[in-house]
Amino acid sequence: TQLLEQSPQFLSIQEGENLTVYCNSSSVFSSLQWYRQEPGEGPVLLVTVVTGGEVKKLKRLTFQFGDARKDSSLHITAAQPGDTGLYLCAGGFRGSSNTGKLIFGQGTTLQVKP
Amino acid sequence: DAGVTQSPTHLIKTRGQQVTLRCSPKSGHDTVSWYQQALGQGPQFIFQYYEEEERQRGNFPDRFSGHQFPNYSSELNVNALLLGDSALYLCASSLRQVDTQYFGPGTRLTVL
Repeated sequence: TQLLEQSPQFLSIQEGENLTVYCNSSSVFSSLQWYRQEPGEGPVLLVTVVTGGEVKKLKRLTFQFGDARKDSSLHITAAQPGDTGLYLCAGGFRGSSNTGKLIFGQGTTLQVKP
Repeated sequence: DAGVTQSPTHLIKTRGQQVTLRCSPKSGHDTVSWYQQALGQGPQFIFQYYEEEERQRGNFPDRFSGHQFPNYSSELNVNALLLGDSALYLCASSLRQVDTQYFGPGTRLTVL
């Protein structure tokens, strides 16, 4: 059974602070996606990382895929109230019996207070 | 460029009933996946359809079934509804089973 452990589950910080969310597994993934979800809406794709050690930056967000493709992190610099939401990591498979299946972490609820 | 669309937005059913949810993929996509998301949890993979066939299935009972049409749209059917089936049902589309999936807004199903 593939599992993706996401931590922390809840994070409440002040505007301007930095934070890091972690996503860990014993499984090797062909890719790792990060999504952000607002209450009652579908997840919105933030980034896809596919190469071990890959780092991608999206404005104040930095995403890293672990060298062994088993873990990932999301770092937000100078958080703003608009960053509030549920952050989800999802591991994908390609070229295996699980091709196309996404395994999600349980999510990190981020609250940024003004 | 139309994104993934789902209908209906909300649905209320009673135990034992049957429900059909619908999904139209993003323009240019040919693969549709369905997920169930309970409150406060990450989405759980139900199944994936490509070329009108079920290609992958998660740990869901046979009460959950689906279909993909020639225009790539898809339906999710759930029979003999249980209270525990209450959740947000998400549809995601992608190109040829490639990993990156784009999600629709979801259908909120409430079973009373």
